Amino acid sequence: DTAVSQTPKYLVTQMGNDKSIKCEQNLGHDTMYWYKQDSKKFLKIMFSYNNKELIINETVPNRFSPKSPDKAHLNLHINSLELGDSAVYFCASSQDKGLDSPLHFGNGTRLTVT
Amino acid sequence: GQQVMQIPQYQHVQEGEDFTTYCNSSTTLSNIQWYKQRPGGHPVFLIQLVKSGEVKKQKRLTFQFGEAKKNSSLHITATQTTDVGTYFCAGPTGTASKLTFGTGTRLQVTL
Repeated sequence: DTAVSQTPKYLVTQMGNDKSIKCEQNLGHDTMYWYKQDSKKFLKIMFSYNNKELIINETVPNRFSPKSPDKAHLNLHINSLELGDSAVYFCASSQDKGLDSPLHFGNGTRLTVT
Repeated sequence: GQQVMQIPQYQHVQEGEDFTTYCNSSTTLSNIQWYKQRPGGHPVFLIQLVKSGEVKKQKRLTFQFGEAKKNSSLHITATQTTDVGTYFCAGPTGTASKLTFGTGTRLQVTL
């Protein structure tokens, strides 16, 4: 009965590779997000989708491409991985795009680029 | 850009001592949310404050929203080892109305 689930939990890969992280939520929420947490624990929003439509696209390299096939899924594809991409990536969802709805986070994907 | 800062960055207390983290925004916030992230875990929503000067309590946790709606605080009375983690405030910022997280305060509690 996991609310927001993302896979894989750990991802270790070499520079230059392409990888994807998948996220699914079963809460019936309209809005989904990708956040990046660096080694200093700073949480920064990357993307936000509302009903499959991109509504927030922060200053993120073009190598990062989100895809939302339906409102319950938001995947993140990363091309040509770099050392600086190493971080924990969190998927989250909220009831709607209004910012008075709490975020529900997935367990995170720890990406290590070597 | 708009920032949400928290102090202290880190605090180490002995079990039973009190703890407070402060959250300051460069702009007025329509609401403030608080999250807790246990070591190795993910952020979990604790509470939301909306009104100017609002105070809410959850057992040993007291949350306050400033009168000007630019700052907030979380106070824990008589900390326990289960309180260990990083506490984040978060508020809507920018024209894109994204939820911006504070820099976080890591709490360590020892016996």
